[in-house]
Amino acid sequence: EAGVAQSPRYKIIEKRQSVAFWCNPISGHATLYWYQQILGQGPKLLIQFQNNGVVDDSQLPKDRFSAERLKGVDSTLKIQPAKLEDSAVYLCASARGRVGDTEAFFGQGTRLTVV
Amino acid sequence: AQSVSQHNHHVILSEAASLELGCNYSYGGTVNLFWYVQYPGQHLQLLLKYFSGDPLVKGIKGFEAEFIKSKFSFNLRKPSVQWSDTAEYFCAVIPDSGGYQKVTFGIGTKLQVIP
Repeated sequence: EAGVAQSPRYKIIEKRQSVAFWCNPISGHATLYWYQQILGQGPKLLIQFQNNGVVDDSQLPKDRFSAERLKGVDSTLKIQPAKLEDSAVYLCASARGRVGDTEAFFGQGTRLTVV
Repeated sequence: AQSVSQHNHHVILSEAASLELGCNYSYGGTVNLFWYVQYPGQHLQLLLKYFSGDPLVKGIKGFEAEFIKSKFSFNLRKPSVQWSDTAEYFCAVIPDSGGYQKVTFGIGTKLQVIP
C-alpha cells in the first residue's frame, strides 16, 4: 500500500510569516496525527483526527496553529504567524484506528526552519 | 494520561556488543506497545509491536522486545549490533481502550555503533 505522503519536504520562512503543510494519509485510515519533533526530542502530538473530527488538540498552540481534515482524508496544518521556536520537523501519521490495530504509519515529515 | 520514559538518551556501543534499551510506561489499563526507529535522514519506521499474546516480540533486523506487565516495561534488545543500527529509537504506547487511541512517544534513545 502507498505510504503517508507529506509536502513540502523542506521549508524555510522568516518569523511572522505563515506556512502550511499538507498530508495525504494511507487510504482507509480513519485516524490522522500531526506531530512536532524538535531536534533532540521525541515526537509531540499536536492534533489527532478521527475521520474529519478532532479528538485531541490539547497540545496545539491554537493562537497560531490550525489544522483541518476536510472530508476525512487529506489534512493541512497551518502556522500563522511563525516563531523561531516553531523550527522542527512536522510529522503526519495515520492509522486504521481500530481497537487492537493501532499501528501508526509515518510520512517523511516536513522540516521547517524559521529564521 | 499515559507517559513513556526512556532512560538511556545516548548509547554508544562497539559492533557485536549486545544492546538493551529501556522503556517504561505509565497507564493502568491495556496497552499496545511499539518501538520505532529513525535512521539518519529517514522517517520513523516501525521496528516491532506488541498487541497481545506472547510477551516476547520479535521484530525486523534481529530486534526483539519483552513486555513485562508487572514492571510496565517494554525493553528493546539485540544480541549483536551492527554499524547500520546507528539510529534513534523511540518507544511508544497506545491505550487499547476503544474509541480513539492517543499515541505517546518517549524522548528517544540515540544509538551510535562504532565499527
